[in-house]
Amino acid sequence: EAGVAQSPRYKIIEKRQSVAFWCNPISGHATLYWYQQILGQGPKLLIQFQNNGVVDDSQLPKDRFSAERLKGVDSTLKIQPAKLEDSAVYLCASSSYDEQYFGPGTRLTVT
Amino acid sequence: QKEVEQDPGPLSVPEGAIVSLNCTYSNSAFQYFMWYRQYSRKGPELLMYTYSSGNKEDGRFTAQVDKSSKYISLFIRDSQPSDSATYLCAMVPDSSYKLIFGSGTRLLVRP
Repeated sequence: EAGVAQSPRYKIIEKRQSVAFWCNPISGHATLYWYQQILGQGPKLLIQFQNNGVVDDSQLPKDRFSAERLKGVDSTLKIQPAKLEDSAVYLCASSSYDEQYFGPGTRLTVT
Repeated sequence: QKEVEQDPGPLSVPEGAIVSLNCTYSNSAFQYFMWYRQYSRKGPELLMYTYSSGNKEDGRFTAQVDKSSKYISLFIRDSQPSDSATYLCAMVPDSSYKLIFGSGTRLLVRP
């Protein structure tokens, strides 16, 4: 069974630029999550999708972050404009019931 | 006060030692307790999952939950260099499966 795929793996941008991350969950998993993991901290949930509907986006900075999951499969997370404090690893996870399976993450550096 | 507190380490032990990793929490509504292992530049992977007070054993790993003290532990017996990683505790308050992570403890097992 293929795992959660994410791309790109690394991204360096300047502040005020925009960036997008892509996630392909495990086949058949209805629930998809985006987490932000700042260096030295645990992952923090940004947004949770159930199929293509948003279940929880209470910690998503909606003035600059957006996410979509068209057709209930792949998902993209966008930051526009980026700030220095957005430097982090962005993890995508998917689940069919309770266990969440994580992708390798995208490491974003904002300079 | 953070909902979940975890000593960041690093914790350095010789090969074969028994390792004890701990988390405390403040929210008595947490129902499910998990331990994740995260290798460098990888996503977290689930090690142990429990929802009740007491002990749960899986090979060299034992998870312990004390809801009355709001304290959870992970014990690793006969530690190996391959166990060197960051260990994250995570908790779920209800059936939403929204994970609240600790900050992680970095473990180094010396050959």
